[in-house]
Amino acid sequence: GAGVSQTPSNKVTEKGKYVELRCDPISGHTALYWYRQSLGQGPEFLIYFQGTGAADDSGLPNDRFFAVRPEGSVSTLKIQRTERGDSAVYLCASSLWGAEGYTFGSGTRLTVV
Amino acid sequence: GENVEQHPSTLSVQEGDSAVIKCTYSDSASNYFPWYKQELGKGPQLIIDIRSNVGEKKDQRIAVTLNKTAKHFSLHITETQPEDSAVYFCAAGRTISGYSTLTFGKGTMLLVSP
Repeated sequence: GAGVSQTPSNKVTEKGKYVELRCDPISGHTALYWYRQSLGQGPEFLIYFQGTGAADDSGLPNDRFFAVRPEGSVSTLKIQRTERGDSAVYLCASSLWGAEGYTFGSGTRLTVV
Repeated sequence: GENVEQHPSTLSVQEGDSAVIKCTYSDSASNYFPWYKQELGKGPQLIIDIRSNVGEKKDQRIAVTLNKTAKHFSLHITETQPEDSAVYFCAAGRTISGYSTLTFGKGTMLLVSP
């Protein structure tokens, strides 16, 4: 597609529930990143994929967070047993391998009530 | 880890004035410094970036300067226009094997009044 697509744009869930957030990167972009942006803050790195594998997951806050990219294109961020502190905008970005500049999607606003 | 400080948190200017946003970073190994513009309800958009082997870069009304010794970098916008109003983020990262994970500042809300 023309840009990075993230679905849903908004998600409200109850505390303790499981959620999945989807990212469709720009066609041909092999690098894919997930960031989290809390209100009034800059984005915070979560995980990076090169192709199908997670090359750097050092930003995942705990084992409730997991991400996959099984075919090297679409990625899903999965959050188990959601907590109110997980409420944030989850941003996905993609780039060509070796290109430092990312293209971000518009994000998924997750609200845990 | 890397720590990025950004100032000011808000900046109000009149149309046509210049705007300057400043950032400092802590990790001397960082070698990539992008700036992003974020409008309400949208993801950050890359507007300009600079690498550590360059001291200054310009693109039309936007310029970025980097002082590696002092670990400072700044964004300069000249002839500001109302459509420049947005939140601007600086970031610092280290390129490893063709990718960079970025540490962002907290952002500067720029308001340009007509």
